[in-house]
Amino acid sequence: GAGVSQSPSNKVTEKGKDVELRCDPISGHTALYWYRQRLGQGLEFLIYFQGNSAPDKSGLPSDRFSAERTGESVSTLTIQRTQQEDSAVYLCASSLVVAGGPGDTQYFGPGTRLTVL
Amino acid sequence: AQKVTQAQTEISVVEKEDVTLDCVYETRDTTYYLFWYKQPPSGELVFLIRRNSFDEQNEISGRYSWNFQKSTSSFNFTITASQVVDSAVYFCALSSSQAGTALIFGKGTTLSVSS
Repeated sequence: GAGVSQSPSNKVTEKGKDVELRCDPISGHTALYWYRQRLGQGLEFLIYFQGNSAPDKSGLPSDRFSAERTGESVSTLTIQRTQQEDSAVYLCASSLVVAGGPGDTQYFGPGTRLTVL
Repeated sequence: AQKVTQAQTEISVVEKEDVTLDCVYETRDTTYYLFWYKQPPSGELVFLIRRNSFDEQNEISGRYSWNFQKSTSSFNFTITASQVVDSAVYFCALSSSQAGTALIFGKGTTLSVSS
């Protein structure tokens, strides 16, 4: 079946502009995650959505970052007034909720490479 | 605190060599889960294995094997008879109740296999 998809695959923007990144999870997966991967680094958790529960925003680095999810489908991650340190690959993952969070296997999309000039 | 350490930043081997990627984790939870992911040059993370803290059996899948040892808080990954297609960045990750819903990733080990 179709995996997690993300768009755009690459985004180049100027400092100070807003950007929107999109994620389509695997059909039927109720949990959705956003991570950031800086060059040569591991992944940093940003935000988590699960059904109608309030999202876990504990990983968002600043109030310039926000995310929304429509029901149990598409999610958008918005970065306002982008800075050069926002340059990274933004990865989306989805999972079935079996173990109730910890332990659920997350399946990742190909990522969006964001470059802020 | 939750932490995953992959001390090997880069490893280079020649095809057909065996290679072991180390992963050491820290958690105070008694229930936790460990994962390995592969990130080939295309960038997409590919799930390899999930293991819970109550299952210390080693696992083998083709040329891949995993050695989980709670006594040393390690979850090492061995590739037998490595191939060029194994070249990738490999990440070890941890999840537990204390970490919430996030996966805690190590910084990854870059494996280069030459022919």
